Amino acid sequence: QSALTQSPSTSGTPGQRVTISCSGSSSNIGSNYVYWYQQLPGTAPKLLIYTNNQRPSGVPDRFSGSKSGTSASLAISGLRSEDEADYYCAAWDDSLSGVVFGGGTKLTVL
Amino acid sequence: QLQLQESGPGLVKPSETLSLTCTVSGGSISSTSYYWGWIRQPPGKGLEWIGTIYYSGRTYYNPSLKSRVTISVDTSKNQFSLKLSSVTAADTAVYYCAGSHCSGGICYIGWFEPWGQGTLVTVSS
Repeated sequence: QSALTQSPSTSGTPGQRVTISCSGSSSNIGSNYVYWYQQLPGTAPKLLIYTNNQRPSGVPDRFSGSKSGTSASLAISGLRSEDEADYYCAAWDDSLSGVVFGGGTKLTVL
Repeated sequence: QLQLQESGPGLVKPSETLSLTCTVSGGSISSTSYYWGWIRQPPGKGLEWIGTIYYSGRTYYNPSLKSRVTISVDTSKNQFSLKLSSVTAADTAVYYCAGSHCSGGICYIGWFEPWGQGTLVTVSS
């Protein structure tokens, strides 16, 4: 069981806006930065969002991150077929003195 | 551009020690801009952080694996390594190495970029 909780799956149609949530606790999301990773089939994860809401160079502004209390969200607007992937949230956990990942959310573009 | 590449045996016998190396190119492993980490992913499952090391040797380990894990750095070879002892079938996974950013004296250990391509390690007799 992951320290960060994500819904196993979600879906959307092209052009739609979808949101993926990540729920944690005061020892991780509540007191540390959240990171989001996109993993396309058969490839290594790719950093999508760092320090809650910052996009690395090259990541489209269709992707945005936010955090409130002990929860975080990744929003994808203007959904495209190439966005179909697994998405993971991560954060440092003060109680564990380590990094915790969410279980991942599989996004299907219908 | 910083690049990471994992290497090591793809098959390990139960009860033996899994050993992997990550070679860093395009930059120095002694850079103060990075910590270096290992993450794994069992087939069809999610990501699990294993541990992270700084060039000075400071380490952080996943508490659930700490008793079996050793991560070390070899600055002369620009490499860092993972050893996982007493492996079982549950340790079968794709193992990734990755860099974590440091900036302005602050290190963000959950910030993994770049990643290696990953290497599949199967534990089987």
